[in-house]
Amino acid sequence: EVQLVESGGGLVQPGGSLRLSCAASGFTFSSYWMHWVRQAPGKGVVWVSRINSDGSTTSYADSVKGRFTISRDNAKNTLYLQMNSLRVEDTAVYYCVHYDSSAYHAFDIWGQGTMVTVSS
Amino acid sequence: DIVMTQSPLSLSVTPGEPASISCRSSQSLVHKNGHTYLDWYLQKPGQPPQLLIYLGSNRASGVPGRFSGSGSGTNFTLKISRVEAEDVGLYYCMQALQTPLFGGGTKVEI
Repeated sequence: EVQLVESGGGLVQPGGSLRLSCAASGFTFSSYWMHWVRQAPGKGVVWVSRINSDGSTTSYADSVKGRFTISRDNAKNTLYLQMNSLRVEDTAVYYCVHYDSSAYHAFDIWGQGTMVTVSS
Repeated sequence: DIVMTQSPLSLSVTPGEPASISCRSSQSLVHKNGHTYLDWYLQKPGQPPQLLIYLGSNRASGVPGRFSGSGSGTNFTLKISRVEAEDVGLYYCMQALQTPLFGGGTKVEI
């Protein structure tokens, strides 16, 4: 079964750090670009970051650039998001997402998400 | 940067009736390879978004035939031929030509 399972969310104070993880299974993780997408409470979906299949290329939304770092461990089939200098406005559900570049050219697999709350 | 504009913000529908959502981009979403990088997603309550339509007009696997996507260049439409109760939720268009960008969403309710 194709699956993405996020973990690592929680409550953190402004200025703090968290590392999110996403365990992938059911597909050849090392062959695909992976993304993080977030959704603040009651708001729309917003793209956060992406990483290519071997981890050599990354990009970020302007709102998180310089504070968040995306990485991956293909041997462990795991995607990460290191979040530093967290702000109240980073409060959101964070989704790990698979981008299918062969057939769909779209986000075809989504995790259930992990909640990050930044509050004092 | 591309700007994505969805309308309407919300839509109240009657089961069995058609529904339509519009999405406009500030730039053409046609890649030099000929593909149009516009997708549609549905987020049902309490769930992550799920892919409905990819590359402008192609239904993803398992998506009912009542959903269809159309359009080209900068103007796109998602149509539901006959709305069912299970179609309620938030609908998003997304461009993947550049760094992914979602539209603001359309809330569909019965």
